[in-house]
Amino acid sequence: GAVVSQHPSWVICKSGTSVKIECRSLDFQATTMFWYRQFPKQSLMLMATSNEGSKATYEQGVEKDKFLINHASLTLSTLTVTSAHPEDSSFYICSATERQAGNSPLHFGNGTRLTVT
Amino acid sequence: GQNIDQPTEMTATEGAIVQINCTYQTSGFNGLFWYQQHAGEAPTFLSYNVLDGLEEKGRFSSFLSRSKGYSYLLLKELQMKDSASYLCAVRDENYQLIWGAGTKLIIKP
Repeated sequence: GAVVSQHPSWVICKSGTSVKIECRSLDFQATTMFWYRQFPKQSLMLMATSNEGSKATYEQGVEKDKFLINHASLTLSTLTVTSAHPEDSSFYICSATERQAGNSPLHFGNGTRLTVT
Repeated sequence: GQNIDQPTEMTATEGAIVQINCTYQTSGFNGLFWYQQHAGEAPTFLSYNVLDGLEEKGRFSSFLSRSKGYSYLLLKELQMKDSASYLCAVRDENYQLIWGAGTKLIIKP
């Protein structure tokens, strides 16, 4: 089945530093990947849609200069949280679909738990 | 606006059956998904419905009624490992996934 790998699983960083999270589709090509954020006991919140070879599409309220997304190849998308602050502490999850079809489910990476001190 | 409603929390007994409901109001409909999410982990895909009726997959079944904007996930022979959150998501007319807040299922021995 489709596997999405996300790294790192968890990271602790100091306020003001930047953190890069990688998302890879291991056995399929993903022209589109999705980045979600989830706060405790809340639902998934779509942050942005990452498109291979073009600029990401950000959801309303998500700062594109703070959450930099690069989708350099069909199997890799990265999310960089720049100048992190404690309020950026959250669970970040990437996902991808194997094909652009209504019945194609999202396959999720294992998520990255970011703690900003 | 678009909206998906699920109960916040449910409790059931090991070995029993539980039904988790989901109602939705979206702009268009291109299928409904159920995902399972254990605490601290990412969601995993359980089922997909696009036509009315029941889809059975082992101990889990999912039902859809498009006219009522309603779905349910039925879990049989509950096991302790089924304790998790269950997320309902609908793909709208733009093929965007709209997520419910999830139902936390607690299984008691």
